[in-house]
Amino acid sequence: DQQVKQNSPSLSVQEGRISILNCDYTNSMFDYFLWYKKYPAEGPTFLISISSIKDKNEDGRFTVFLNKSAKHLSLHIVPSQPGDSAVYFCAASSGNTGKLIFGQGTTLQVKP
Amino acid sequence: EAGVVQSPRYKIIEKKQPVAFWCNPISGHNTLYWYRQNLGQGPELLIRYENEEAVDDSQLPKDRFSAERLKGVDSTLKIQPAELGDSAVYLCASSSPVGWNEQFFGPGTRLTVL
Repeated sequence: DQQVKQNSPSLSVQEGRISILNCDYTNSMFDYFLWYKKYPAEGPTFLISISSIKDKNEDGRFTVFLNKSAKHLSLHIVPSQPGDSAVYFCAASSGNTGKLIFGQGTTLQVKP
Repeated sequence: EAGVVQSPRYKIIEKKQPVAFWCNPISGHNTLYWYRQNLGQGPELLIRYENEEAVDDSQLPKDRFSAERLKGVDSTLKIQPAELGDSAVYLCASSSPVGWNEQFFGPGTRLTVL
């Protein structure tokens, strides 16, 4: 049972435009959500997170939106840059367990 | 600050052989995680340590997998015997006592079982 789903395996956008990556979850007990970025042959690196008490968190070009009623979160990258090309994973956890449940990942390609 | 170190980076073995992976977490990080990432999937937690104690090993296939973190620093993950389905990337991560939500990952060990 996939508790965290990223239904788009890949996304291609033009440099300077907005990238929107989506993530859905099924477990209503999740209260903390994270996005990780992964380059080839490297481990995932933390990008941005959001607590369930918020609906938006912004960090520079990256903004995460959380819609709890829809059990949906999204990552917006504006403007997109070629260096943003990577695999993006969303992850969720419940309580302060440190146990992250990851989605399958979305490969983002930003074209110059 | 040095990141999470893992070795080897790549390992190719034949099925039924044993294999071991080593991880050195970031200095001061008391929590250590082992994940397995299958092709096209996200990482899945195998085991989590708080210092020397394995506090969550519910996803570790205990018939063939074992792990240890004897002095609360380095950790070793072992598979014996390996099966074809064990081919994956094995990731180690660590986090600080106050920053559990930000886990720092190593580059992983890519295991191929032939």
